[in-house]
Amino acid sequence: NAGVTQTPKFQVLKTGQSMTLQCAQDMNHNSMYWYRQDPGMGLRLIYYSASEGTTDKGEVPNGYNVSRLNKREFSLRLESAAPSQTSVYFCASSVRPGQNTEAFFGQGTRLTVV
Amino acid sequence: GNSVTQMEGPVTLSEEAFLTINCTYTATGYPSLFWYVQYPGEGLQLLLKATKADDKGSNKGFEATYRKETTSFHLEKGSVQVSDSAVYFCALIRGRGGADGLTFGKGTHLIIQP
Repeated sequence: NAGVTQTPKFQVLKTGQSMTLQCAQDMNHNSMYWYRQDPGMGLRLIYYSASEGTTDKGEVPNGYNVSRLNKREFSLRLESAAPSQTSVYFCASSVRPGQNTEAFFGQGTRLTVV
Repeated sequence: GNSVTQMEGPVTLSEEAFLTINCTYTATGYPSLFWYVQYPGEGLQLLLKATKADDKGSNKGFEATYRKETTSFHLEKGSVQVSDSAVYFCALIRGRGGADGLTFGKGTHLIIQP
């Protein structure tokens, strides 16, 4: 019963390096999300994918790109990492977009950019 | 736009004390309201939800009532336990689709002392 799986769990990058955070869900959900969590800021939406084949910007998309590879997988890419992107990143999924649907979260990726 | 305001912690209580964590929101339309909990080192889990005015969500002894007149969704528990120590997030999904996911408050760190 895996739910939402994120890899890696921890990563240290140097400024300017690139990397891709991977997320996969096995619940046949249509919608997937990427959030970042910073101290005193709560969680903020970076990008979301309401359904396979669509992606849209959230509150803080600058410096990131996403790919909805298929229904299961939604990756987040940092093309040129900056110290301001040091954060904990959470992927989430829900069966469909809308009010009455619960979001399920992965365990997070703790990223440090030095 | 949408926003969620919750009391910031840390909130420190003794075991068996009464808990209230305040949450108020600003949103267009009729949002659904949620409380999520994050235990150390883990992702977020849904604690309870309410989808319309006067609904009461409840789970694991926690309760919250959707109050449209005061735009509030305060979390309460009659007798807290050490195992309730965690970070609690109030969140909403806006009305009319909510495809862009959850809007979170900043989180309240709850510490229960034996």
